[in-house]
Amino acid sequence: NAGVTQTPKFRILKIGQSMTLQCTQDMNHNYMYWYRQDPGMGLKLIYYSVGAGITDKGEVPNGYNVSRSTTEDFPLRLELAAPSQTSVYFCASSLPGAQGGNTEAFFGQGTRLTVV
Amino acid sequence: GNSVTQMEGPVTLSEEAFLTINCTYTATGYPSLFWYVQYPGEGLQLLLKATKADDKGSNKGFEATYRKETTSFHLEKGSVQVSDSAVYFCALPSINDYKLSFGAGTTVTVRA
Repeated sequence: NAGVTQTPKFRILKIGQSMTLQCTQDMNHNYMYWYRQDPGMGLKLIYYSVGAGITDKGEVPNGYNVSRSTTEDFPLRLELAAPSQTSVYFCASSLPGAQGGNTEAFFGQGTRLTVV
Repeated sequence: GNSVTQMEGPVTLSEEAFLTINCTYTATGYPSLFWYVQYPGEGLQLLLKATKADDKGSNKGFEATYRKETTSFHLEKGSVQVSDSAVYFCALPSINDYKLSFGAGTTVTVRA
């Protein structure tokens, strides 16, 4: 199984450029997430989605946008890239849990983004 | 909301040493608890989980017990190897708002 697939793996952007990080999962998971991980730091939630057509902000949404037109895909859009967005970005997905929460998450391999 | 507090590193050990990484949680109800591991240059992957109080999760020689009385889920391994060098994250789901809460991560380096 492919699981969660992210593209590209690496990217260098110039300040002010825009790009879309792609994420697709083949596990029919309802929930999908975007996290960023800065060097030596933990994970910060950017956006999440509980199903197609539904998205919501996480802890650090500024400078990013998402859409969820299908269950499988959850792209993350960076508009006007800034050096502060240099980070490793992880997409993840999960199923709902029995009590209305979620179960374990499956992660992609990450996209390493540098803004110069 | 639900949250975790994780022992911060870095932790450096010799091969065959005993490893403990502390994790305590604050939660409404009794959510599942998880430990994730991130090897260098890779994404996170589930290491083990426990779904209810007193459950013990185990995998690859690692263990963690869901302690309701102390709201803890400490990770342990009796004899670490160089290949266990990684970042370890404690995590739990939020029952009401579908988010996952992760600890800050603990970097573990095992020397030969």
